[in-house]
Amino acid sequence: DIQMTQSPSSLSASVGDRVTITCRASQSISIYLSWYQQKPGKAPKLLIFDASSLQSGVPSRFSGSGSGTDFTLTISSLQPEDSATFYCQQSHTTPWTFGQGTKVEIK
Amino acid sequence: QVTLKESGPALVKPTQTLTLTCTFSGFSLSTSGMRVAWIRQPPGKALEWLARIDRDDAKFYSTSLRTRLTISKDTFKNLVVLTMTKVDPVDTATYYCARIPPGGNGAMDVWGQGTTVTVSS
Repeated sequence: DIQMTQSPSSLSASVGDRVTITCRASQSISIYLSWYQQKPGKAPKLLIFDASSLQSGVPSRFSGSGSGTDFTLTISSLQPEDSATFYCQQSHTTPWTFGQGTKVEIK
Repeated sequence: QVTLKESGPALVKPTQTLTLTCTFSGFSLSTSGMRVAWIRQPPGKALEWLARIDRDDAKFYSTSLRTRLTISKDTFKNLVVLTMTKVDPVDTATYYCARIPPGGNGAMDVWGQGTTVTVSS
């Protein structure tokens, strides 16, 4: 199975800060990488697909980059409503796999 | 509008078989490239991908759970069923189903609200 490793596991940042979350795959997955946001008690929400494509309706402060094994999710200006856990997921090879999650808190 | 909804028992006993149903609307599994997946999340833990079924009835499973899982679909009734045999307390989780549309390279764009399953005697 392809392992997905996210860092950091958690972070605390202030409103307006630029936040970066990284995701590393144990082998090349091209651009078959998605990012999800999950708030407590809610289902995950798709933010980014194909590593860098913004899902319809998602604010433009979210962006993704990378290919191969190294990927990044960036929030350009953190907002209070962005407090959540973020997951990366590879769909290059079954079984598909998720990262362990990154919890983002607002200072 | 695309919606998915999971249903099943809230409580099952260890060693029993768990059957979960994902009922969806707004899309069809007869559409070329359409797929549906199941994902679960134990309390306080990360998401875990479980299984996927494709329009052509191809099926894919988690490596660690493949001997216990079966996924099936009823295209006419717009539903996907996941069965898990020999459940254990570690299978306690919220179970989600999600749509994978054609062309998105595997992104799960719409999720159900989830159904919580507790395994306990």
